Amino acid sequence: DVKVTQSSRYLVKRTGEKVFLECVQDMDHENMFWYRQDPGLGLRLIYFSYDVKMKEKGDIPEGYSVSREKKERFSLILESASTNQTSMYLCASSVQDRGGGYTFGSGTRLTVV
Amino acid sequence: QKEVEQNSGPLSVPEGAIASLNCTYSDRGSQSFFWYRQYSGKSPELIMFIYSNGDKEDGRFTAQLNKASQYVSLLIRDSQPSDSATYLCAVNPDTGTASKLTFGTGTRLQVTL
Repeated sequence: DVKVTQSSRYLVKRTGEKVFLECVQDMDHENMFWYRQDPGLGLRLIYFSYDVKMKEKGDIPEGYSVSREKKERFSLILESASTNQTSMYLCASSVQDRGGGYTFGSGTRLTVV
Repeated sequence: QKEVEQNSGPLSVPEGAIASLNCTYSDRGSQSFFWYRQYSGKSPELIMFIYSNGDKEDGRFTAQLNKASQYVSLLIRDSQPSDSATYLCAVNPDTGTASKLTFGTGTRLQVTL
């Protein structure tokens, strides 16, 4: 069974902490994505990557960075966590063709206090 | 202006009825269209995708696409209580290799007994 695995299901961090969210996929997908999901705002793209060491900003990259050193792993970094980054974070992967529907991880619910 | 629009609902249908979920998109060049189901507290899961005008059927689900009207819909026949969830419409506006989807905010479906 193919999978996208996010390292933590629930996370509580303090304001100002550096936070790492990890995502690993075992499907050999080229594309990987980080979204956040908030009530009423839907899914918003933070960053995505279409190849190892490649990254592109999404719609809301401010306050975030990413790392993709290996094809299967895509990390999201909150440089200095703030309360407005409390959210559900979803990682997804897809193949590089128009049929590339996403496979999502189970999500990380991050609370910044 | 939102790029992918859905009625937030809730859409309430009785068990056994047909549920009709609708989505409009703004980018006329969009190539592929996806429907995801998301249960409360869970991550989205892909249920249908469609590329060409017309209907595509998969079990109780039918996706309909009308590119001239920039409209995509999902019909669920013989609705079951287990179909109660939020349904996300997603559109791929890109023709390049990075299949970056734009999501609507979702329609909440309630199937009543």
